[in-house]
Amino acid sequence: DSGVTQTPKHLITATGQRVTLRCSPRSGDLSVYWYQQSLDQGLQFLIHYYNGEERAKGNILERFSAQQFPDLHSELNLSSLELGDSALYFCATGEGSTGELFFGEGSRLTVL
Amino acid sequence: AQSVSQHNHHVILSEAASLELGCNYSYGGTVNLFWYVQYPGQHLQLLLKYFSGDPLVKGIKGFEAEFIKSKFSFNLRKPSVQWSDTAEYFCAVNGDGGFKTIFGAGTRLFVKA
Repeated sequence: DSGVTQTPKHLITATGQRVTLRCSPRSGDLSVYWYQQSLDQGLQFLIHYYNGEERAKGNILERFSAQQFPDLHSELNLSSLELGDSALYFCATGEGSTGELFFGEGSRLTVL
Repeated sequence: AQSVSQHNHHVILSEAASLELGCNYSYGGTVNLFWYVQYPGQHLQLLLKYFSGDPLVKGIKGFEAEFIKSKFSFNLRKPSVQWSDTAEYFCAVNGDGGFKTIFGAGTRLFVKA
């Protein structure tokens, strides 16, 4: 158990809809990273927050947004969903500045 | 920009065979290197890591990896695989303590019993 909690574990929705994925980091960790894992794209870095501030952005679509709240949990919002957004979305927290990551169990999104 | 290349996308081995998975990265500065493993239906877990010092690092479950700076490589090895090693393996790099860790495309290992 990494200590990183993600909800929901599974989500099925329709194209055009909007969903919110939630992540609670390990106790004491200030960082939250979001990754998307799909069969054709592999594990893609989306965005990183540290203590409420955005620190780095990767291949995140404009239809996606994220934020980190004062209690350090984070939410990833996905809107105007397309079939291609079906994927496993992982949240991870980090070990200082080393880049070592501790992953949650992921949220599997299926867009029909 | 950082990038990571894993040489094999799929590997099939019989139990007791030796394993070597290739990983090359592209980054000009100081790097921290990682191998993660994802067992079927599970999240990614750290297998081993290299920050500095001895370039041969040992991880969990008998895995080891060697950092060769001149070749920008960080290959994963195991002398004798087991059926339970069936999983997907990801090489990852974090450059200069930056804010993002970049992953390779992954290698799916299937070990035949």
